[in-house]
Amino acid sequence: EVQLVESGGGLVQPGGSLRLSCEASGFTFSTYSVNWVRQAPGKGLEWLSYISGISNIIYYAGSVQGRFIISRDNTKNSLYLQMNSLRAEDTAVYYCARDRDSYSPYYFDSWGQGTLVTVSS
Amino acid sequence: QSVLTQPPSVSGAPGQRVTISCTGSSSNIGSGYDVHWYQQLPGTAPQLLIYGNANRPSGVPDRFSGSKSGTSASLAITGLQAEDEADYYCQSYDTSLSDVVFGGGTKLTVL
Repeated sequence: EVQLVESGGGLVQPGGSLRLSCEASGFTFSTYSVNWVRQAPGKGLEWLSYISGISNIIYYAGSVQGRFIISRDNTKNSLYLQMNSLRAEDTAVYYCARDRDSYSPYYFDSWGQGTLVTVSS
Repeated sequence: QSVLTQPPSVSGAPGQRVTISCTGSSSNIGSGYDVHWYQQLPGTAPQLLIYGNANRPSGVPDRFSGSKSGTSASLAITGLQAEDEADYYCQSYDTSLSDVVFGGGTKLTVL
């Protein structure tokens, strides 16, 4: 069974940093691209970033380009999102989601349960 | 304001058929990019419902179907059931933004 489990969320002050993790199981992690998607409270979904299986292709949404960094460690079956210069509008549930394309974000066939990030003083 | 436009809400009685529209533009759906649909049950993570405009992943009932034409796409649900009450999101790619884009979501209420 494919499983994605996010962790690392919490309360952080504006301007601060946080690193999210997503641990994968039930499939060969290194052969799949993965994404981060977030959902602000009561709002819709927003795609943030994509990373290919061997980390040679990375994309970011304009809203987080330059502030967030996606990475992965295939030896640990883990995906990461380093979030810097956090703002109140970054408050959201953050999901990792497996992609079905090896070269660019396409569609997301498995999602984690999400981790909540709250940016507030 | 989402790049893909969905109605905020739709409703239907059990057994009825409902459709949810997803309207884009020439820079996304109209450029030939595929549309995918997700179902988000209350308090849970989104789940893939339709991919590549009209394909159902294994395990998704054939009551759910997708279509695409021009700059729009639609999700149809037939034989509505109480368990279908959820938020539904369409997703595609926008070449002007160079971003994955989602619709704003549609809340389905089963009366």
